[in-house]
Formats: sequence, structure tokens, C-alpha cells
Amino acid sequence: GAGVSQSPSNKVTEKGKDVELRCDPISGHTALYWYRQSLGQGLEFLIYFQGNSAPDKSGLPSDRFSAERTGGSVSTLTIQRTQQEDSAVYLCASSSLPVNTGELFFGEGSRLTVL
Amino acid sequence: RKEVEQDPGPFNVPEGATVAFNCTYSNSASQSFFWYRQDCRKEPKLLMSVYSSGNEDGRFTAQLNRASQYISLLIRDSKLSDSATYLCEGGSYIPTFGRGTSLIVHP
Repeated sequence: GAGVSQSPSNKVTEKGKDVELRCDPISGHTALYWYRQSLGQGLEFLIYFQGNSAPDKSGLPSDRFSAERTGGSVSTLTIQRTQQEDSAVYLCASSSLPVNTGELFFGEGSRLTVL
Repeated sequence: RKEVEQDPGPFNVPEGATVAFNCTYSNSASQSFFWYRQDCRKEPKLLMSVYSSGNEDGRFTAQLNRASQYISLLIRDSKLSDSATYLCEGGSYIPTFGRGTSLIVHP
């Protein structure tokens, strides 16, 4: 597609379950970012990919969170043993330029609810 | 101190009003700045880049003050459709966002 695609758009899970969130960036965009946005809050940085490598994963809140990117394209964010405080909208963004030099294009987000 | 800070508002203004938002940043090494617009339950979308010399796009004007480390967004002749949250973005390395400023334009 023309834009950043994320799936699922909505996910309701029980506390303790694992979830996988997927991001398909704009074709040719080498930079990919994951952010988290809680209700009424700003965007919290999680991880940055340049190609398949993650030079900055400093925003991952705990070792329950991990992410990978394959083929310089699709990225998956995995949350293990989900907790209620993980409930948020997880936004993926891509860019054709390296860190903070160009416009970010966001997907519509994956809304995660942990019961 | 957060790297990028904004007044969350809300700013509640009548149609036709002029409204200005400021955003401060703490890292003097930050080079690129942007304003994004986020509608309720939607993703952020780029509104405009912020250039050192200031730039204008229709009713919107963005400015950068490096000495005082802030960027601003001015909206003239506000429309009902301008109601949204406006996010400033900066950062010296990773794009870093403020919490957003909520604007409500009423008839």
C-alpha cells in the first residue's frame, strides 16, 4: 500500500498473554520507529530501526518488550506476559531519511487493551 | 526535564481568532523541528516543517528561536476544522515529541 500499515488495529488480551504487533512501512523507507501513546499522553519512543539493525532500543520499558525487523521492511513488536499498564496505542512510523532529518509517516496504530 | 515540552491546553478559541502555541526543547544540538497535527483517535500527520528563517503555509506560520530554544506555531483566522491536538517534534537524534497542545475552535 501507499502508507504505513499496522495490524491488528485493535487487540484485547488477558493479563499474562503475549501479543505481537506488526508494522509494514512505506516501501523504501529505511528508518522505522515504534512509539507508544497512552490516553491523553504524548508519544513515548520505544525503538528505532535503521535497516534491520536497532541502533537505539533505549525506550523499551522492560525486558518483556522486544522488536525485530526483517528484510529491511516489516517489523514486529512483541510484548510478553502483558500487564494492564501496557494498554496503549502502539504507533509505528517510517522515514526515508536517517534520524530526525525528515518527516515521519505514521500508521494508524494498534490499540492494545490488557484486561 | 523532558527534552520537548508543550503547554497541553486546551486552548478554546472562537472561529476567526488567532492562536499561538509554543514548544521548548532542552537539547541545543537539536537540528530539525516539525509540527504535527493529530485528530482524535487518529495518527499524527505532518503539518509543517520549521525552518530557521521561519516559514508560512497559508494561515499557519512556524518559527524557530534557537537562542531561547523554542519553536512556535501561529494559526490565523481559526476554522472549526482546526480543532485537533498539535504536536511539536524535535530532538537531536531520535524524533522526540511534546505531549501535544489541544485546540478547540468553537462557533
